[in-house]
Amino acid sequence: RKEVEQDPGPFNVPEGATVAFNCTYSNSASQSFFWYRQDCRKEPKLLMSVYSSGNEDGRFTAQLNRASQYISLLIRDSKLSDSATYLCVVRSSASKIIFGSGTRLSIRP
Amino acid sequence: SQTIHQWPATLVQPVGSPLSLECTVEGTSNPNLYWYRQAAGRGLQLLFYSVGIGQISSEVPQNLSASRPQDRQFILSSKKLLLSDSGFYLCAWSARPANEKLFFGSGTQLSVL
Repeated sequence: RKEVEQDPGPFNVPEGATVAFNCTYSNSASQSFFWYRQDCRKEPKLLMSVYSSGNEDGRFTAQLNRASQYISLLIRDSKLSDSATYLCVVRSSASKIIFGSGTRLSIRP
Repeated sequence: SQTIHQWPATLVQPVGSPLSLECTVEGTSNPNLYWYRQAAGRGLQLLFYSVGIGQISSEVPQNLSASRPQDRQFILSSKKLLLSDSGFYLCAWSARPANEKLFFGSGTQLSVL
């Protein structure tokens, strides 16, 4: 079983739609969680950290469920510029950082 | 400010040839260092990480190796490349003690022919 699993998509949604991504992780001792965004053949960039209480940054909301070992990302009022691959990232130990395989999102006009 | 340099940006190598990719970090001390590989259309696969000079953890046993001869230098090597080694190689660092953010280099696109 992979340490971090994501739905690969692709998700193809119209501009203005709300879209949600899910991610599960296998190591219950994992310490911290993030969402990264990657544009085609570029390096990933941190989108947001995920905190136990849930957190919001503008149109983006991230949630963590430690009991179910589940992380989610919600994008509201999606823009064309949101088209990218979204990577779920888990720090499974102090130094080991694992990426999910990514979920491709395409926003259509 | 901290910066990370990774080179070369692109590389075309024949099967069976050696490989050396270098990554250096500036503006920080004692970073955790990482090598990831991304095959076309796939996610990032953790290859190696290092918490200090000479300390290398290998995630994927294969024909690649990594070394950390200096605190802020991380090298990915192979003695003989395989076709399956083609991909986008990314070096990254994070601060210690554990910090959430990974800072990435701009990547090396390796094509093995």
